[in-house]
Amino acid sequence: DQQVKQNSPSLSVQEGRISILNCDYTNSMFDYFLWYKKYPAEGPTFLISISSIKDKNEDGRFTVFLNKSAKHLSLHIVPSQPGDSAVYFCAACSRGGSNYKLTFGKGTLLTVNP
Amino acid sequence: DTGVSQDPRHKITKRGQNVTFRCDPISEHNRLYWYRQTLGQGPEFLTYFQNEAQLEKSRLLSDRFSAERPKGSFSTLEIQRTEQGDSAMYLCASSLVSYGGRAEGATDTQYFGPGTRLTVL
Repeated sequence: DQQVKQNSPSLSVQEGRISILNCDYTNSMFDYFLWYKKYPAEGPTFLISISSIKDKNEDGRFTVFLNKSAKHLSLHIVPSQPGDSAVYFCAACSRGGSNYKLTFGKGTLLTVNP
Repeated sequence: DTGVSQDPRHKITKRGQNVTFRCDPISEHNRLYWYRQTLGQGPEFLTYFQNEAQLEKSRLLSDRFSAERPKGSFSTLEIQRTEQGDSAMYLCASSLVSYGGRAEGATDTQYFGPGTRLTVL
């Protein structure tokens, strides 16, 4: 059973436009969500996170929105830049479970075209 | 550079051989995690340490896998009698988790190393 789902394997946008990456989860115990960016042959790089007590968190060009009732979160990148081209992973954990292990989606390949 | 480091970055071995990977976490972090990533998948949890104690192991971690974190600093992941199905990227992550109040700089965020790419022929 896949508890974190990223249903779009790929997304292509033009430079300067908005990129919206989506993520759905099924486990109601998840209360902390993170987005990571990954380049080929490198480890995931942390981008932004959000706690379940919030519905929005913003950091520069990156904003994460959380809709708990729909069990859905999204990452907005504005404006998109060619250097943003990478695989983006959504991850979730249950901090109440104390192990904080992350459950990841399969990732979305974002391509930003100049 | 004070990030998470892993060694080696790449390892090619023959089926049946033993391999060992090393992870050096961010120095003040008390949690260390191992994940495995195969092609087209997100990273999957293998095991984690709180200081030197190994507190949980995934069912993905067969008896051929063993992990240690002596003295609560670096960690090693050993795979004995490697199989072709062990070919994957092995990722290490660390974080600082506090209990009973927020320690200075405490974060639940896990920071990943560059990974070790294992190829079993």
